[in-house]
Amino acid sequence: DAGVIQSPRHEVTEMGQEVTLRCKPISGHDYLFWYRQTMMRGLELLIYFNNNVPIDDSGMPEDRFSAKMPNASFSTLKIQPSEPRDSAVYFCASSRTGGAQEKLFFGSGTQLSVL
Amino acid sequence: SQKIEQNSEALNIQEGKTATLTCNYTNYSPAYLQWYRQDPGRGPVFLLLIRENEKEKRKERLKVTFDTTLKQSLFHITASQPADSATYLCALDQTGANNLFFGTGTRLTVIP
Repeated sequence: DAGVIQSPRHEVTEMGQEVTLRCKPISGHDYLFWYRQTMMRGLELLIYFNNNVPIDDSGMPEDRFSAKMPNASFSTLKIQPSEPRDSAVYFCASSRTGGAQEKLFFGSGTQLSVL
Repeated sequence: SQKIEQNSEALNIQEGKTATLTCNYTNYSPAYLQWYRQDPGRGPVFLLLIRENEKEKRKERLKVTFDTTLKQSLFHITASQPADSATYLCALDQTGANNLFFGTGTRLTVIP
């Protein structure tokens, strides 16, 4: 298996623009997580899905952020409009089943820079 | 407030020595605690999981302990090698939740 695949690897955009991050989880994994990593706050959970259904989006910072999972093999995280404080590395992760006893498989992340 | 603190941002040790990393948590009651390794420009990679009723877990040169009374986990790498240089993250759950909460990590450098 190729692992969790994220695109793009790097994104540089200007404030106010729309940004879309993409993720393909490992086949057969029922859970998908979106995390954001910064030096100050570390890895923060934004939202997670179970069988394509959003379960907990309490970590989404504000209405400018939205996430979808139209099918089992694809998810997007959208920021509209983007702001400089959104600059961070965004990770997608998947796990076979839910629960903290399951290990997470992370993608390589998307480095987002908002100028 | 809830906190997960890892002992220091950076730890330098000599090759061959044992590295000990600390993870302390406040206002969590985890049933599970996990450790991950993260290399620059990459996502975290799972290393070990320990359950609340386990005192110790080993995997090759790695050892993890979990003390729910002290609210602390220790992560040891014995006979450390330069290839062990990376950032190590602890992660734990909150009872009833399906997601993990991560510490900010400790950057380990093993000096040849």
